[in-house]
Amino acid sequence: GAGVSQSPSNKVTEKGKDVELRCDPISGHTALYWYRQSLGQGLEFLIYFQGNSAPDKSGLPSDRFSAERTGGSVSTLTIQRTQQEDSAVYLCASSRAGTGRKNTEAFFGQGTRLTVV
Amino acid sequence: AQSVTQLDSQVPVFEEAPVELRCNYSSSVSVYLFWYVQYPNQGLQLLLKYLSGSTLVESINGFEAEFNKSQTSFHLRKPSVHISDTAEYFCAVSSTTSGTYKYIFGTGTRLKVLA
Repeated sequence: GAGVSQSPSNKVTEKGKDVELRCDPISGHTALYWYRQSLGQGLEFLIYFQGNSAPDKSGLPSDRFSAERTGGSVSTLTIQRTQQEDSAVYLCASSRAGTGRKNTEAFFGQGTRLTVV
Repeated sequence: AQSVTQLDSQVPVFEEAPVELRCNYSSSVSVYLFWYVQYPNQGLQLLLKYLSGSTLVESINGFEAEFNKSQTSFHLRKPSVHISDTAEYFCAVSSTTSGTYKYIFGTGTRLKVLA
């Protein structure tokens, strides 16, 4: 596609339910990032995928959070047993980043606004 | 570990006044530096970037940033701001670890331009 696509754009879920957030990166981009942006807060890094390498999961806040990237393209962020503090905008970004590449600009999707009630 | 520090969480400034949004990074390897902007109720978009060459980079809407390697800074400046510049600004560093590049973002600075 022309840009990074995220779905759904909005999600309201009940506390304790599981949710899945989807990200379609720009075709050919090897790097994919998930961030969380809470109201009035900055960008909180969650997880980073780069090609076929093991993902950098150092930003995941708890074991209720997981993500996968199938076939080096689409990624799904899963939050199990959601809590109210999980309410935030979840942003996905992709870039052409790789070894020696200079064109490392990241392109962001519009985000998924998650509300846990 | 790499880190990006944006010292000011909020910066109020009057219209037509100059502004500087500060960004410092910590990295001992080659870095690429970026400023992203997020207008109210919109997604993040690239404002300007430093990859190599001239240490002063400019955006199309009058912002500029200067890469200062000795001070590990990449401050964003504009000589005269407009109401429409009200937004949140994020500094980011992309540097290599183990041969691949990873983005690190600062916590953002909320610029509020006052009439």
